Amino acid sequence: AQSVAQPEDQVNVAEGNPLTVKCTYSVSGNPYLFWYVQYPNRGLQFLLKYITGDNLVKGSYGFEAEFNKSQTSFHLKKPSALVSDSALYFCAVVWQAGTALIFGKGTTLSVSS
Amino acid sequence: GAVVSQHPSRVICKSGTSVKIECRSLDFQATTMFWYRQFPKQSLMLMATSNEGSKATYEQGVEKDKFLINHASLTLSTLTVTSAHPEDSSFYICSAREDSSNYGYTFGSGTRLTVV
Repeated sequence: AQSVAQPEDQVNVAEGNPLTVKCTYSVSGNPYLFWYVQYPNRGLQFLLKYITGDNLVKGSYGFEAEFNKSQTSFHLKKPSALVSDSALYFCAVVWQAGTALIFGKGTTLSVSS
Repeated sequence: GAVVSQHPSRVICKSGTSVKIECRSLDFQATTMFWYRQFPKQSLMLMATSNEGSKATYEQGVEKDKFLINHASLTLSTLTVTSAHPEDSSFYICSAREDSSNYGYTFGSGTRLTVV
């Protein structure tokens, strides 16, 4: 079955420090990977996606992610965290064009000032 | 950019009544839309795939007769929770996939359903 795993329930980081939110995937065939962010009682906001091409993907709000095929990972990173980055982050995969996004369990990012 | 409007954002209903949630793509066509359910501090669970002009495809364990999905146009899908019970209380989120892009998914802002 196609799936993504987010091994950390929570990530804590101080403002100004770099942050990483981890994601690994299990997909037969080519993976199409996404990151979304969710603020309380809101829908999901798109951050970035990897479909093909350059392994380093740059997205919204200064976030980036690196697709690593050998490690089957797609970790989300940001060089300098902001308090306003505190939210719930979801990694997701599409295993076939046009089908639904399948989400990881989510990671709560907490950035302290 | 692509915008999906989901309405209502919050609804409280009595047990036994039905509630309709609308998901509308405002500036693009979406032959395919998806409905998710989210419990507090948990992930999004796919409930069904909604296709314009045809029957929805439900995920295993989702009751078709309880969660009625209608996708009558290229910009509108509706989810009706029938004979609602307190255990149906949840956060429901829709997603629309742009017809012009295989990987363009836009989400609505969600509907908080509380059944009392």
